[in-house]
Amino acid sequence: DQQVKQNSPSLSVQEGRISILNCDYTNSMFDYFLWYKKYPAEGPTFLISISSIKDKNEDGRFTVFLNKSAKHLSLHIVPSQPGDSAVYFCASSWNAGGTSYGKLTFGQGTILTVHP
Amino acid sequence: DAGVTQSPTHLIKTRGQHVTLRCSPISGHKSVSWYQQVLGQGPQFIFQYYEKEERGRGNFPDRFSARQFPNYSSELNVNALLLGDSALYLCASSWVIAGGLQETQYFGPGTRLLVL
Repeated sequence: DQQVKQNSPSLSVQEGRISILNCDYTNSMFDYFLWYKKYPAEGPTFLISISSIKDKNEDGRFTVFLNKSAKHLSLHIVPSQPGDSAVYFCASSWNAGGTSYGKLTFGQGTILTVHP
Repeated sequence: DAGVTQSPTHLIKTRGQHVTLRCSPISGHKSVSWYQQVLGQGPQFIFQYYEKEERGRGNFPDRFSARQFPNYSSELNVNALLLGDSALYLCASSWVIAGGLQETQYFGPGTRLLVL
């Protein structure tokens, strides 16, 4: 039961252009969403998050959009840089009454390649 | 400030053996979660510990166990290792604020376990 899905295994973008990574979820209980970046041989690095009470959150070049009715979120990177090349995971969690947000459910990841 | 640390970085075991993985959270973080990541997939939740108590458990067999110590560090134990246990094991820590709500989870570099 894949509750969080990233349907694009890979994405290739030219340096300076926009990268858009997509994520869909099925569990309507999810109320907190995060994006992580992962380089080989390293743990996931937190990028940006959004609560279900918002529909947009920005941090520098990174913006996350949340469409609750469609159960869809996206990460926009503008402008994309070669150093952004990595695997990107979206993750979701919910306030499970006391164990709040302790469990993250991850998508399968999208490999982003930014070409110079 | 030091991030989440894990030891060892790599480990090779044979089927049937036992393994112990260790994690030290970011200073001040009282919650630790463990995840398993197999190649090509996103991390899968194994356990969450907070204040030395198990607060959540994923869909893993009883061969997997964990504990948290008074200094909030944690161990993950796996008994009777199977070939399918070969994976990257990730530890994440987070703040716990009022009402038990947790904030963003920050990951360590992981322990790469190979079972032969």
